[in-house]
This record gives sequence, structure tokens and C-alpha cells, in this order.
Amino acid sequence: DGGITQSPKYLFRKEGQNVTLSCEQNLNHDAMYWYRQDPGQGLRLIYYSQIVNDFQKGDIAEGYSVSREKKESFPLTVTSAQKNPTAFYLCASRTRARNTEAFFGQGTRLTVV
Amino acid sequence: GIQVEQSPPDLILQEGANSTLRCNFSDSVNNLQWFHQNPWGQLINLFYIPSGTKQNGRLSATTVATERYSLLYISSSQTTDSGVYFCAVERGGKLIFGQGTELSVKP
Repeated sequence: DGGITQSPKYLFRKEGQNVTLSCEQNLNHDAMYWYRQDPGQGLRLIYYSQIVNDFQKGDIAEGYSVSREKKESFPLTVTSAQKNPTAFYLCASRTRARNTEAFFGQGTRLTVV
Repeated sequence: GIQVEQSPPDLILQEGANSTLRCNFSDSVNNLQWFHQNPWGQLINLFYIPSGTKQNGRLSATTVATERYSLLYISSSQTTDSGVYFCAVERGGKLIFGQGTELSVKP
């Protein structure tokens, strides 16, 4: 089936450790996005990438890093520099053509203790 | 950057009632989408509607791009409609979300 897969669904880490969240899509989409959602809040853009080997910072990029080595993959690393990493993380993708909709994965709930 | 505002922030309805959710945006946009976030957190695509009107069952949406707003209509609401509704606009490659409307439908 075509879609966007985020893994793992739940992730627990100790404070001070880096952690990488996976996002894979087989929709042949060019653009991919990472969002953070805190309880009762909207989605805030962390990073986005419109083509392979290129990405841009969103509104809250500090403490995060990404790579886009393959079209189908856009992993997000939450570094120890991120002060409040506990959150729900969502990945999305869409084509770059105009007038196309974005689709989301099921999300990863990260808890840092 | 572009601002996206949704209203109302919260809405409580009795089952069977109708409702209108609004999304205002501060600048011209390429695309606009409506999503429903279910209790498990997944975002479900409702409408892709940069302009005009679309209907899907009990839900319909209208976007007036020249006046920079979009409306989502829910008719004959059901308890399964509960959750958070988001609008998102795309501009310059970025997909920007509003803060959402939390809908609670009571039996």
C-alpha cells in the first residue's frame, strides 16, 4: 500500500540522548515536512525539504537536525540541545506541483525522561 | 510570515446540530486544506480546496481566496465528528497550520 510510515509509534529516551525519528514514503512525493505538536496546540513546522539533498528550517528548528539523502526518506534527529523534546511528531509529504494536497503519517510520540 | 487563524477555538454541539468553522489567512496562498485529527493523533484529509466549494457527505467546504477565508460546514453532527479540525495553507513551499478548532459532539 502507498503511504507515509513513521516509526516507532512510541519512543522513550533519557535526557541528554540524541534520538532519530524515521519517516518513509512510497508515494513518489518530492516535498516532505516535519511538525511538532504539544498537547492542546496546533502543528509547528520544524524542517521541510522540497527536493533531495536540500532542506530548509521551519519556525522551530533549534535543537533538531534532518537529512534528505533519498527521495523517500526524511529522518529527524532530536538532539540534546532541544530543551523540551517531549511531544508528538508528525511527518507529511506532497508533490511539488501546484494544487496538490499533503498527506500525513501516523506520528511518533516521544517522551524524554 | 503568513498568519492562519481559526475560530472558534472550541465548540460543543448536541448530536444532530450543524456547525460552521472558519479559517482566515493573512496573505494569498497557493493551497488550502482541511484536516480532522482523530483521538489517536492521526490527521485525516477532509478537503483540498484552494478556491470554490466542495462537498463530501455531511461535510462541505468553501474557500473565498480573494477575501482570504475558508469555511468548513458540518451538518447533522455525530459523536464521531468529535476531535480537532485544522486548516493549513501552503505558501512558498511551507505548509502552515492554524491553531485548530476542538469540536465535541454530545449524544
